[in-house]
Formats: sequence, structure tokens, C-alpha cells
Amino acid sequence: DQQVKQNSPSLSVQEGRISILNCDYTNSMFDYFLWYKKYPAEGPTFLISISSIKDKNEDGRFTVFLNKSAKHLSLHIVPSQPGDSAVYFCAASALPGNTPLVFGKGTRLSVIA
Amino acid sequence: NAGVTQTPKFQVLKTGQSMTLQCAQDMNHNSMYWYRQDPGMGLRLIYYSASEGTTDKGEVPNGYNVSRLNKREFSLRLESAAPSQTSVYFCASSAQGTGINQPQHFGDGTRLSIL
Repeated sequence: DQQVKQNSPSLSVQEGRISILNCDYTNSMFDYFLWYKKYPAEGPTFLISISSIKDKNEDGRFTVFLNKSAKHLSLHIVPSQPGDSAVYFCAASALPGNTPLVFGKGTRLSVIA
Repeated sequence: NAGVTQTPKFQVLKTGQSMTLQCAQDMNHNSMYWYRQDPGMGLRLIYYSASEGTTDKGEVPNGYNVSRLNKREFSLRLESAAPSQTSVYFCASSAQGTGINQPQHFGDGTRLSIL
């Protein structure tokens, strides 16, 4: 049973436009959500996170939105750049402190120049 | 600024061979993790160590053992490798917060092929 779902395996966006990556979760106990970015042959790198007490968190070109009632979060990248082309993983945690993360399967973003 | 270092980067094994994957972090983190990534499967947790001296099973622990050697090092052992264990293995670490979550930092992975 997949607790964190990224239903779009891939997404293509033109440079300069907005990229929207979506993530759904089923476990209502999740209270901390993260996005990771992964380039080929490298490990995932932390991008942005959001706590369940917020509905939005922004860091430069990256904004994460959380809709708890819908159990849905999204990552917006504006404007998209070719260097943003990577696989993006959504992850969630059920408890405060350092508990294991549950990852989605990832969405491959291609930003076309 | 090494962060999380994994060795080796690549390895080919024959079925039945044993191997230990090494991981070390220099960020003074308390918690360490082992994941595997398979095509279309995302990252799945094998084992983790919340603090030195403790280890716990994750989602897919069968066929693996771990050792938290000290605060810096967390190794993953395959006692009798099977083709189903062909994967990319990632080690990660994180600080131990007191109600404040800290993101995990990942190594660059070990690509393991079992023939």
C-alpha cells in the first residue's frame, strides 16, 4: 500500500514557465513533508519542506503548498530553468524528530529551452 | 565538506557472494539510514539507526544486516547476494531534533549488480 503517491512519472515544461509537481498521501498521521531533487548518478538533495501547521512555504523559485483536507501537496517552480531538469521525490514523516521518511516514486521533470 | 561518503561506488557480485557497503558521515549526525532505489519504485528504507547503538528494520530488510559501528559509520551487509538485490543503495544521515525535523542528507550511492 503506497502511502505517498506521485502519479505523474514525468513532466515536460518550457523554460521560463511554471512547473507544478503533485503529491498525494494517504496517512493522516503525516505531519512533515519534504521535496528532494535528484540528478543522475547523484544522491537526492533536500529542496524544501513544509510542516502540517502551514499551508505554504516559499524559498526563492520554489514554493510548496499543502492541502491537508485533500491530503495533497504540490511543488511549484517559477520560472523553470533547464538546470531544474531532474527527478523530484516527495517524502513524508509521521512523527516529530528523526523518523524514517516515506518516499513517493518520483516525477522526472524536463525543462525544455 | 564531504557530507555522506559511500564506498564503493560500483560493485558487481556473483549470486551467493557476500559484501559490505560502507557509509560515513562527518556532520555529527545522530541518525543514519540505508535505502535502495529501483526503477519506478522510488526510495525504500532498508534499515535505520536513530542513534548510536540502535538499529531498526525499515520497509525491505530481508536479506540485509546492518552495523552502526560508531556515530560516524553505518554499514550494510549482504550475506548471500541474490539477483533481486541488484539496485542502487543510498546512505543518508540526519541530525536528531527535539520536535524539529531535520532533512536527511544523502550520499551519492553504490550501484550494485548481482549476476
